[in-house]
Parts: sequence; structure tokens; C-alpha cells
Amino acid sequence: EAGVAQSPRYKIIEKRQSVAFWCNPISGHATLYWYQQILGQGPKLLIQFQNNGVVDDSQLPKDRFSAERLKGVDSTLKIQPAKLEDSAVYLCASSSRTSGMETQYFGPGTRLLVL
Amino acid sequence: AQTVTQSQPEMSVQEAETVTLSCTYDTSESDYYLFWYKQPPSRQMILVIRQEAYKQQNATENRFSVNFQKAAKSFSLKISDSQLGDAAMYFCAIGPGGTSYGKLTFGQGTILTVHP
Repeated sequence: EAGVAQSPRYKIIEKRQSVAFWCNPISGHATLYWYQQILGQGPKLLIQFQNNGVVDDSQLPKDRFSAERLKGVDSTLKIQPAKLEDSAVYLCASSSRTSGMETQYFGPGTRLLVL
Repeated sequence: AQTVTQSQPEMSVQEAETVTLSCTYDTSESDYYLFWYKQPPSRQMILVIRQEAYKQQNATENRFSVNFQKAAKSFSLKISDSQLGDAAMYFCAIGPGGTSYGKLTFGQGTILTVHP
């Protein structure tokens, strides 16, 4: 079974530029998450999708971040304009229920550096 | 709100020895799940072990086991017969229980070094 795919793996941009990240979840997983992981910290949720609907975006800085999952499969996360503090690893996860328990499976992440 | 605390920023162990990583959490929910994830330097987060809060029996996965103390809100990870490949950042996390799908709340992580 293929895992969660993310691209690009690395991105370097100047502040105030825009950037987009792509995620393709594990086939059949209806729930998709985007997390932000700042160096030395645990991941923090940005947004949760169930199929193509948003379930939780309470921690998403909506003035600069946007995300979509139009067909309920792959997803795009965009930052516009980027700030220095957006430098982080952006992790995508999808989940399934195994033995009654939800388990999230993570992609390799996109490492963003904003200069 | 849920919080997870990992009080050991770094731990080290000799190959073939046993090491225990600590985790405490706080939640107002009665039903929840607990997880340990491993993140090697390549950054891919890998599930190590999971525990349902309503189960008293501690989960085990080969060399990995947990000590779940629900009243103390403690969820430590024991790695037996440590191997060089166990070197990584380890995160403890809590998620919603029951039939809910929801975010994981992570601790700050513990860097584990394995010495040959």
C-alpha cells in the first residue's frame, strides 16, 4: 500500500512570496490533516478535512494560509504572503480506523525555509 | 483542551539496553487514544505503538511497550534491546476516542541517541 505522498520535499522562498504544497493521502482515507512542525517542537494542526469538507481550521492563520481538497482526495496548502516565522516542516497525514481506533499516517513532509 | 508533556528533551542508551521515555498528559475527555510516534532524521513520522484509554492492559509491539497509568495521566514508552535504528525523535500524542476523527496533540519530543 502506498503511503502519504507530499511534494515538494524542500522549498526556499523570500518573505512575501507565495508557496504551495501538495499532498496525496493513502487511497481510501477520507480524513486528511495538515500540521505545521517548527524546528524542535511537536506538530500542530493547521486544518482537518473530511472528504472535501473542512472539519477544523481553528488554528489556520486565514489571513495568509489557505487549503483545499476539492475532489476529496489530494489537497493543496498555500501560503501567501509568506513570513519568516512560517519556516517549518509541513506534514500531511491521512487516517483510517483500525480495530475501531483512528490512526494517522504521515507523509515525509515539506521543509520550507523563508528568507 | 488537551496537553502533552515530555519532560526529557534528550535521552541516551547503549545498544541492547533498555530505555524508558516519559510522557504525561492532561485531558477533560473520558475517552481518548494515546500514541507514540518516531521521527528519524529523514522526518517521516512513523507510528510506534498506540493505546486505547479504556483498556487497562498495556500495549506491546515487539520490543516496544507502554506503561499506561490512567489515574496519573502517564504514558511512558519502554524500548527493550535498543538498536541503532531506534535513534530518532520520539513524540507522545493524544487523540479523540470513540468514533471521532480529530487532531493529535503532540508533546515537545524526546531525542533518543543509541550508542554502539
